[in-house]
Amino acid sequence: GAVVSQHPSWVICKSGTSVKIECRSLDFQATTMFWYRQFPKQSLMLMATSNEGSKATYEQGVEKDKFLINHASLTLSTLTVTSAHPEDSSFYICSAEIGTSGRGSYEQYFGPGTRLTVT
Amino acid sequence: AQTVTQSQPEMSVQEAETVTLSCTYDTSENNYYLFWYKQPPSRQMILVIRQEAYKQQNATENRFSVNFQKAAKSFSLKISDSQLGDTAMYFCAFASGGGADGLTFGKGTHLIIQP
Repeated sequence: GAVVSQHPSWVICKSGTSVKIECRSLDFQATTMFWYRQFPKQSLMLMATSNEGSKATYEQGVEKDKFLINHASLTLSTLTVTSAHPEDSSFYICSAEIGTSGRGSYEQYFGPGTRLTVT
Repeated sequence: AQTVTQSQPEMSVQEAETVTLSCTYDTSENNYYLFWYKQPPSRQMILVIRQEAYKQQNATENRFSVNFQKAAKSFSLKISDSQLGDTAMYFCAFASGGGADGLTFGKGTHLIIQP
């Protein structure tokens, strides 16, 4: 089956520093990857859509200068939280799309998530 | 914009019973996908079942089946012969069929299977 990995699984950083989270599709190529954020006991909220070779598309209310996304290859997307603050502490989950949308096959497979704690 | 509503924050049933989780959604699109995802305590999202809106037949995956009512914009999940391992958060999700879009999730239902 399709496997998506994330690294690191857990990171603690100090307020004001930046942290990078990697999302990799291990056994398939993903033109499109997505980044979600999940606060404790809440649902997943889409932050941005990451397309290989082009700029990411951010959801309304998500600061693109704070959450930098790079999708440099068909198997890797990175999310960098810049100048992190305690309110950025959350669970960040990526997913990768398989197949084509429209009337074709369409599935998203999720990484295991990254717990970010900003002190 | 699409919205997904799960009105049951928590449900609890006995092992081996059948349970139905409800989900309604709102969209003006005609072509879309609906999903149920399971999130156990590990927080790994696991795809349970998927439904294409253009298919009238309800999707089934072993003990999991859906009741898809397109006109009513309802997409409920039925779990038969529930098992202790089914204990998890269950999220209903919507994806537009028009392009490579992210998922819109409901708030989730915490399902507890009692021994």
